[in-house]
Amino acid sequence: GQNIDQPTEMTATEGAIVQINCTYQTSGFNGLFWYQQHAGEAPTFLSYNVLDGLEEKGRFSSFLSRSKGYSYLLLKELQMKDSASYLCAVRPPNDYKLSFGAGTTVTVRA
Amino acid sequence: DAGVIQSPRHEVTEMGQEVTLRCKPISGHDYLFWYRQTMMRGLELLIYFNNNVPIDDSGMPEDRFSAKMPNASFSTLKIQPSEPRDSAVYFCASSRSLSRNQPQHFGDGTRLSIL
Repeated sequence: GQNIDQPTEMTATEGAIVQINCTYQTSGFNGLFWYQQHAGEAPTFLSYNVLDGLEEKGRFSSFLSRSKGYSYLLLKELQMKDSASYLCAVRPPNDYKLSFGAGTTVTVRA
Repeated sequence: DAGVIQSPRHEVTEMGQEVTLRCKPISGHDYLFWYRQTMMRGLELLIYFNNNVPIDDSGMPEDRFSAKMPNASFSTLKIQPSEPRDSAVYFCASSRSLSRNQPQHFGDGTRLSIL
């Protein structure tokens, strides 16, 4: 099975940087996804990591360490529209389904 | 391109009634997933299909829940009889199988309230 942990809430100021951590304990691993979900809306795909290291996409970056069972999502130059829940999801080997963490609610203050 | 389309967007019904949720995946996507999201349990996978065939239904709560995919462009999730604890947002998602980094694309969800 999959055990995925994320902080419940984080608050940051507009223009700042926030790092959302995700740790996982799984019976196998074949990739980690980050999704963004605004209140009342559907989750939308942000990033994918399967190899160790940092993947950068504009203001968002995602990091993975497979040996530590650890990932983070880094949000830079925060904007008010970044206020949302951020979901970490792990894919097991030989499977296409995802197990999602409970999500981290990020609130950006002016 | 049209995304994943779900209907209805909202459903309010009394307990004991049958509820049918519908989903049209993105054209060309051969995987379809049904999820349920609640505050208490987060986003849970109920069942998923590959090429219209159910692959894993281990997340389906009980026999009151059933899902079908009669063709590549349509799937239903049915609850009969419905209970208040079934109240949740139900999402349908689809993805392609070209490689394992293909993300799942979610529909806007059906917000279900059982009174």
